[in-house]
Amino acid sequence: DAGVTQSPTHLIKTRGQQVTLRCSPKSGHDTVSWYQQALGQGPQFIFQYYEEEERQRGNFPDRFSGHQFPNYSSELNVNALLLGDSALYLCASSSRDHSLNTEAFFGQGTRLTVV
Amino acid sequence: AQTVTQSQPEMSVQEAETVTLSCTYDTSESDYYLFWYKQPPSRQMILVIRQEAYKQQNATENRFSVNFQKAAKSFSLKISDSQLGDAAMYFCAYELVTDSWGKLQFGAGTQVVVTP
Repeated sequence: DAGVTQSPTHLIKTRGQQVTLRCSPKSGHDTVSWYQQALGQGPQFIFQYYEEEERQRGNFPDRFSGHQFPNYSSELNVNALLLGDSALYLCASSSRDHSLNTEAFFGQGTRLTVV
Repeated sequence: AQTVTQSQPEMSVQEAETVTLSCTYDTSESDYYLFWYKQPPSRQMILVIRQEAYKQQNATENRFSVNFQKAAKSFSLKISDSQLGDAAMYFCAYELVTDSWGKLQFGAGTQVVVTP
């Protein structure tokens, strides 16, 4: 089991550009959540996708958007990048089936640097 | 709104000794989960231990145990017989068991340093 995989691992973008980050959930998981972790801080919830729809959203502007595909993989898109968007972006997958362990598994993250 | 507070930015412990990390949270809900996650330099969040709020018994996982005080909204982690591999950032997290299922709220973290 490959667990949760994220790509790319590192990314450098220029202010004003757009970026797409990708996440493949752990086998058997159908829910993907995205988090932003600024340097020296705890992760902050961005949004969650289930059945290809955004189910919950944290306090992030509309510049942050996402998508979930039929195979449960997900993308996080950020438009009009700001310097403050520089952070580690973490993807977590879990299962809505409560007969299973509801533990969330995390990927290794994508380190985004905006210059 | 729920908040999670970790008041210890860094804790140092010698190998084989015990260290306790503090976490407090604020919620008006009664049904939730609490977690401790470990984040080593590899960046991947690894679940250390999980506690269901409806369970009075404190969770344990090998050398890791928690002291869950629901009335006081306190959830501390004890690492016994510390090992060099325990060095990492530790995050306390809260998850509401309702429509907010799957949304984790994290504290700011505590850096654990293990000295030989």
